[in-house]
Amino acid sequence: GAVVSQHPSWVICKSGTSVKIECRSLDFQATTMFWYRQFPKQSLMLMATSNEGSKATYEQGVEKDKFLINHASLTLSTLTVTSAHPEDSSFYICSASGGSGYNEQFFGPGTRLTVL
Amino acid sequence: GENVEQHPSTLSVQEGDSAVIKCTYSDSASNYFPWYKQELGKRPQLIIDIRSNVGEKKDQRIAVTLNKTAKHFSLHITETQPEDSAVYFCAASQGAQKLVFGQGTRLTINP
Repeated sequence: GAVVSQHPSWVICKSGTSVKIECRSLDFQATTMFWYRQFPKQSLMLMATSNEGSKATYEQGVEKDKFLINHASLTLSTLTVTSAHPEDSSFYICSASGGSGYNEQFFGPGTRLTVL
Repeated sequence: GENVEQHPSTLSVQEGDSAVIKCTYSDSASNYFPWYKQELGKRPQLIIDIRSNVGEKKDQRIAVTLNKTAKHFSLHITETQPEDSAVYFCAASQGAQKLVFGQGTRLTINP
């Protein structure tokens, strides 16, 4: 089946530093990747949608200069949290889909970010 | 944009009984409705989905029904087992567009 990996699975960083999270589709080409954030006991909130080779589309209220997304290839998207603060601590999950008209999204295992 | 409402937020049922979770959506253009099961600290797992050209779909103990006119869809789990305890999310999307998730339902199966 379609497998999506994320790295790292967890990360602890100091306030003010930047953290990069990788999302890879291992056995299919992901034309679209999505980045979600999930706070404890809450739902998944979409942060941005990225298509290979083009700029990401951010949801309202998500700071594009703080959450940098790069989708450089059909198998890799990265999310960089710049100048992280404690309020950025959350569970970040990516998902990938294989193309237009194909609805199912395949989720990565998530990255637990803790900012001290 | 799309808005998905999910009820109830918590649900407790006796093992062997049925559980029903309901969702409503706002955008009549949405045509894909997946349901996910998420265990603590894990990724959401797709358990069943339905497309707008179908009114009902069943997979063993799990079924989903869709009422396009009323814009609501429901998850039915029969013969519940302790391993069904988890948080369940409904979602809606249009084609390959972004998924909009409901608020989630914490299902507890009591032995």
